[in-house]
Amino acid sequence: DAGVIQSPRHEVTEMGQEVTLRCKPISGHNSLFWYRQTMMRGLELLIYFNNNVPIDDSGMPEDRFSAKMPNASFSTLKIQPSEPRDSAVYFCASSLVGQGERSTFGSGTRLTVV
Amino acid sequence: GENVEQHPSTLSVQEGDSAVIKCTYSDSASNYFPWYKQELGKRPQLIIDIRSNVGEKKDQRIAVTLNKTAKHFSLHITETQPEDSAVYFCAASGGGSYIPTFGRGTSLIVHP
Repeated sequence: DAGVIQSPRHEVTEMGQEVTLRCKPISGHNSLFWYRQTMMRGLELLIYFNNNVPIDDSGMPEDRFSAKMPNASFSTLKIQPSEPRDSAVYFCASSLVGQGERSTFGSGTRLTVV
Repeated sequence: GENVEQHPSTLSVQEGDSAVIKCTYSDSASNYFPWYKQELGKRPQLIIDIRSNVGEKKDQRIAVTLNKTAKHFSLHITETQPEDSAVYFCAASGGGSYIPTFGRGTSLIVHP
């Protein structure tokens, strides 16, 4: 298995632009997590899905952030409009339902908003 | 909710020395404690974990200990090597939730 695949690896965008991050979980995994990592706040859970259904989005910082999982093999995290303080590394992770503590992480997307 | 504190934030050791990273948690219902290693520019990877029914677990040069009464757990790395240099995260979960709460991370630097 290729593991959790995220794209793009790096994204530089201007403030106010829409940004879409993509994730393909490990085949057979039915839980998917989006995390944000910054120096100031560490690793934060933004949202997670079980069987394509959003379960907890309490970590989503603002209405500018939205996430979807239209099928078992694809998820997106969208920021619209983007702001400089959104600059961070965004990780997607997947696991079997009930095993979120043992998630496999993707390589991350480093987002820079200028 | 759960709160996980991790110390130190930075740890510098000489190759061959031991390194210890400590974490405390707040929710007595937590029962699973994974440790992740994140090398520079790479993804976090699970390296070892421990459940609350076990006091210690060892895997080659790394070991984890858990003190449920005091609600703290530690990662021990012996005979450190330069390739051990990374950021290490502790986490805790349980009490009905399998979603981990992560500590802030410890940057371990092993000097050759």
